[in-house]
Amino acid sequence: AQSVTQPDIHITVSEGASLELRCNYSYGATPYLFWYVQSPGQGLQLLLKYFSGDTLVQGIKGFEAEFKRSQSSFNLRKPSVHWSDAAEYFCAVGATSGTYKYIFGTGTRLKVLA
Amino acid sequence: NAGVTQTPKFQVLKTGQSMTLQCAQDMNHNSMYWYRQDPGMGLRLIYYSASEGTTDKGEVPNGYNVSRLNKREFSLRLESAAPSQTSVYFCASSEIRGLGPQHFGDGTRLSIL
Repeated sequence: AQSVTQPDIHITVSEGASLELRCNYSYGATPYLFWYVQSPGQGLQLLLKYFSGDTLVQGIKGFEAEFKRSQSSFNLRKPSVHWSDAAEYFCAVGATSGTYKYIFGTGTRLKVLA
Repeated sequence: NAGVTQTPKFQVLKTGQSMTLQCAQDMNHNSMYWYRQDPGMGLRLIYYSASEGTTDKGEVPNGYNVSRLNKREFSLRLESAAPSQTSVYFCASSEIRGLGPQHFGDGTRLSIL
């Protein structure tokens, strides 16, 4: 069965600084990987996804993520954070066959300092 | 541009009462999902429907039932509500099951006293 871990519960960065949110997964093969963002009181919005191919994935809002098989990681990055990026971020992993259940991490809450 | 619509947005129930959470999508998506979100636990899959006419259990199906009424609608029913079911419930959809949940509704905040 697949699982996903987001080691950082809270992260604080200054506006304009770079950002990296960590995500580690456990799965027997290469899984499907996702990053979502959730603003307070809202549903989740899909930022980007990795299925196969190029390990550096570009998403919306200037985010990117890199799949590293050797480290079982799929970290989310942004070169310069804006105050509007303050939100909670979720990594998710999906099996590539079988049940298609998508498992979410517990989230990382991002605070942006002006 | 509705996307995924959930009703109601808020609900308070007493223990033992029943209710149905409604979800509809207007994107002609095949797959739909129900998740619950609890503090510190991320989202956990309750049930999903890979396509019209099929439903499958997720991680935490006990105490819930679902109906895929048609391609647009996927409802979640609590037959006898318990305080442990106090949560925020999210419905999501995707074009096909292999793509993962692509669009989420804004959630239903359910409190059970």
